Parts: sequence; C-alpha cells; structure tokens
Amino acid sequence: EVQLVQSGAEVKKPGESLKISCQAFGYSFTNYWIGWVRQMPGKGLEWMGIIYPGDSDTRYSPSFQGQVTISADKSISTAYLQWTSLKASDTAKYYCVRQRGILYGMDVWGQGTTVTVSS
Amino acid sequence: SYVLTQPPSVSVAPGQTARITCGGNNIGSKSVHWYQQKPGQAPVLVVYDDSDRPSGIPERFSGSNSGNTATLTISRVEAGDEADYYCQVWDSNSDHVVFGGGTKLTVL
Repeated sequence: EVQLVQSGAEVKKPGESLKISCQAFGYSFTNYWIGWVRQMPGKGLEWMGIIYPGDSDTRYSPSFQGQVTISADKSISTAYLQWTSLKASDTAKYYCVRQRGILYGMDVWGQGTTVTVSS
Repeated sequence: SYVLTQPPSVSVAPGQTARITCGGNNIGSKSVHWYQQKPGQAPVLVVYDDSDRPSGIPERFSGSNSGNTATLTISRVEAGDEADYYCQVWDSNSDHVVFGGGTKLTVL
C-alpha cells in the first residue's frame, strides 16, 4: 500500500529547533516529489515547498523561504521539514504530500504532524 | 503572485448539484486540482488535471476549467460530501504551488 507516515505530535518552546519526518512506503521514493503543506488552526492549506528526492531539487514558497529547510534521505525513503528557531506562529498541522511531478495533483497525503509552540 | 479565489461557503440540499468555483487569471491555461477535507482528516484528491478522477472517487465528482474559472461539480449531493474543498494549481511564473482559500460545503 502506498502511504506516507509522518512523525508524531510535537510540543516545543519558542526558540527551539525541530525536525519532523515523513516516511514513504509502497512506491519508489526517488521517482516522486514530496511536498509540505501547512494548515494553521481553523485555516486553509498553505504550500511550503517541495523536494525531488532523486536529485534533491528543492523549491520553496516565498512565504517560507529561509524559515524552514526541506530535505530527504533516499536510503530510508524519508523526507524532513526542519526549523532552527520556532515561533508561536508556527503552531499548525503539517502534511507531507506526494506528487508525480510539480504540475500534478497531490495524490497521497500523510496523516499530518501537529506542532504546538508555546512558552 | 498568482491568486485563486473561492467562495467561502456553498449550501445545497441532498440530491441536488453543488458547484464550487475557483477563479484565477487565465486559469483555463493551467491544470487545476481539487481536494476534499473532512473535519479532523487529511485532504483527499478528488479531481486532478481539471476533470480526471483518481480511482475510488465517485463519478458524482467532476471538474471543468475554462477562461478565468474552474469548477468542481458534485452531483446528487450526499450528507457525507459535507467538507471543505480546495482548488490548487502550479504557477509556472513563480514556480510554486497555489491553493485557493477553500470552500465549506454545507448539505442542508
């Protein structure tokens, strides 16, 4: 079965760092793009960026460029989303998604990782 | 940057047809994808490339795209169709994904 399995919920303090993960199962990890989508509480979907694990080609939304880092480890079919200094405004649910190509729809979604940043 | 505009809400009676629009400048030249998100769940792709359905999505879901408006049509609406719906495109000018603001479909 094709699926993306994300790491568990996180509770952090402002200023802390965080790396969440998304592990792919059931397909060739290096042949599809993996994107990240943010959903703040009660709000809509926001695209953060995307990576092609085959060659690590990475694109970022201007809104998130410099704020997060997207990476991937082909050896364990896992993509990551990383922050070096969290803010309260990073509190949200984060989804990883699979895309056949950058023009294509997001056909597989992870279950989401809830990140709570609070002092 | 490219903007997609959706109505915040659409209401329809069971058995009727719901139409959810997604407006954007010359959106007809882009491939539009639609997602359904039920409360507490991850979104699900229901229409891709304007009008194609992934396997497992009922034929009641269809899409069209022309000019400045793309439309998701849900025929014979059921209570289980109540959800938020989002349109999405890839903007080649800015080289990134754009989502519409989402439409809450209420089944009366």
